[in-house]
Amino acid sequence: KAGVTQTPRYLIKTRGQQVTLSCSPISGHRSVSWYQQTPGQGLQFLFEYFSETQRNKGNFPGRFSGRQFSNSRSEMNVSTLELGDSALYLCASSFPPGADEQFFGPGTRLTVL
Amino acid sequence: KQEVTQIPAALSVPEGENLVLNCSFTDSAIYNLQWFRQDPGKGLTSLLLIQSSQREQTSGRLNASLDKSSGRSTLYIAASQPGDSATYLCAVKGRGTTDSWGKLQFGAGTQVVVTP
Repeated sequence: KAGVTQTPRYLIKTRGQQVTLSCSPISGHRSVSWYQQTPGQGLQFLFEYFSETQRNKGNFPGRFSGRQFSNSRSEMNVSTLELGDSALYLCASSFPPGADEQFFGPGTRLTVL
Repeated sequence: KQEVTQIPAALSVPEGENLVLNCSFTDSAIYNLQWFRQDPGKGLTSLLLIQSSQREQTSGRLNASLDKSSGRSTLYIAASQPGDSATYLCAVKGRGTTDSWGKLQFGAGTQVVVTP
């Protein structure tokens, strides 16, 4: 079974631009969560989607948004990029949402110049 | 608010020695606790998942215990190998009506180096 895939793996953007990251969960998994990892703040929860609906949200500004499609693939969008948005963005999938094991993708490394 | 702490932040051991990694959390209202491994610049690899009703889980050379009442988990890696060098992270998934509900909250990790 293929694992969680994320595209692109690397991105370089400039301040003020916007970016869209994509995540394809493990086949059969319907819940997708997004996390931001930085050296200073560690891993922080962004949001979770299940059945095309946002179930849960972390403490990030409205510039960070996401969506999920009917095939469970998810996208995350960051508008008006800031230097502090440079991070490794990770997505994770699980079968039902809730108390189950999360499987992570390789991440997208975003650099904002 | 849930706080997850991992001590020590870094650990270096000679090959063959057993590894003991600690994780503590402040709110016992959790669904589960999960241990991950992360290699530099890579994603997270799930090692073990312990549900809140369980006391321990084992997989090969890995064993993790959970004491929910005291807010502690320990990951044991037997007979360490250089390939075990990585950062190990623990994360708890909150339950109940707190701000932590349904979210995986991570510790800062323990960076492990196993020397040949």
